[in-house]
Amino acid sequence: QTVVTQEPSLTVSPGGTVTLTCASSTGAVTSGYYPNWFQQKPGQAPRALIYSTSNKHSWTPARFSGSLLGGKAALTLSGVQPEDEAEYYCLLYYGGARVFGTGTKVTVL
Amino acid sequence: QLQLQESGSGLVKPSQTLSLTCAVSGGSISSGGYSWSWIRQPPGKGLEWIGYIYHSGSTYYNPSLKSRVTISVDRSKNQFSLKLSSVTAADTAVYYCARGVDSSGYRTFDYWGQGTLVTVSS
Repeated sequence: QTVVTQEPSLTVSPGGTVTLTCASSTGAVTSGYYPNWFQQKPGQAPRALIYSTSNKHSWTPARFSGSLLGGKAALTLSGVQPEDEAEYYCLLYYGGARVFGTGTKVTVL
Repeated sequence: QLQLQESGSGLVKPSQTLSLTCAVSGGSISSGGYSWSWIRQPPGKGLEWIGYIYHSGSTYYNPSLKSRVTISVDRSKNQFSLKLSSVTAADTAVYYCARGVDSSGYRTFDYWGQGTLVTVSS
């Protein structure tokens, strides 16, 4: 059973920067896992932010960026806004299977 | 603008079969390069991918649910469906349908339905 692990929670000040990570139980995350990041606010469906490691959707704000960092996928929020407070999920592709991460609750305080 | 809308029974008895449909509008379910997935989220918990289907009818299921899941497509109605058999309270969740992009070089879920809550209870 493949497990994709994220930090349970992170706190950031408005205007600050925070980095979320996404680790695979199978080893280092590479671009071949097509890392994706999603934002979910209470009562809403998830919204795609980043695909294939670092690509932004047309609707993704510029302050969100994706990368690979120390064997993990990473999502960096720069110049955090109050509306960025949400749950964030990564997604990795294992051949035909897709596995979501455990989720990170980002609090803007 | 592509839109996905889930529908189906919101209350299912234990041991019975959960059935949901996702209607796709603003685009064709038969377009190449896309898969059509079901994803669920138990109350207060994280996301779990259930499985996907291509317009050709080929499927791939989460190994942990494979024995109970069937996803099918109805191209004439531009919709796809989920059946989950032998449900228990652990299957209580918000169920989402989503479009998967599966092109060379990039993969993602770009469009999602709003989700529908299914409760398993007698």
